[in-house]
Amino acid sequence: KNQVEQSPQSLIILEGKNCTLQCNYTVSPFSNLRWYKQDTGRGPVSLTIMTFSENTKSNGRYTATLDADTKQSSLHITASQLSDSASYICVVSRETGANNLFFGTGTRLTVIP
Amino acid sequence: EPEVTQTPSHQVTQMGQEVILRCVPISNHLYFYWYRQILGQKVEFLVSFYNNEISEKSEIFDDQFSVERPDGSNFTLKIRSTKLEDSAMYFCASRLDSTDTQYFGPGTRLTVL
Repeated sequence: KNQVEQSPQSLIILEGKNCTLQCNYTVSPFSNLRWYKQDTGRGPVSLTIMTFSENTKSNGRYTATLDADTKQSSLHITASQLSDSASYICVVSRETGANNLFFGTGTRLTVIP
Repeated sequence: EPEVTQTPSHQVTQMGQEVILRCVPISNHLYFYWYRQILGQKVEFLVSFYNNEISEKSEIFDDQFSVERPDGSNFTLKIRSTKLEDSAMYFCASRLDSTDTQYFGPGTRLTVL
């Protein structure tokens, strides 16, 4: 069964601190993995995309890792800001099929001053 | 930067009524999608649309749902007879080709009373 699991479900950190969000997936055949940021009441916005051959990719203060062997990914946020408060969703694409996106339930991150 | 737009931002309707949710995808995109997100749950795929026809639909997308691209710019989702459980955020997404990232709209919050 194609599934995407994320942990933790929610996280509260102090402004300026770092955090790491986890994603495990069983989607097959794997095409790529994306991390999306979703602000409350808004649509998801893509942060990073990782393909099978990529281990690490950075986008500003966001760094995503991918271990295609263990089917795990992480999103590391450095020097968190209040505006980082949002849900972070791991989305895995399958190679075939028009509906090839599988969504995780997301991690709700709250950054407090 | 081009973006996907959706109207209305919030729709309140009585159970049994018909609703039409509207989306304007990014202009040169060819693949269109509708997703929904029930409060507190993960984003769920409803339907994909390409070349003026449905390419895939989920089990959620039953006979009460239909999609249309009436004029080459709008992409609509119609729910014929709304049920209480249709209350959710509905997101439209589009992408240029099958390898591109999906770009999401801001969503329409549908409340069925």
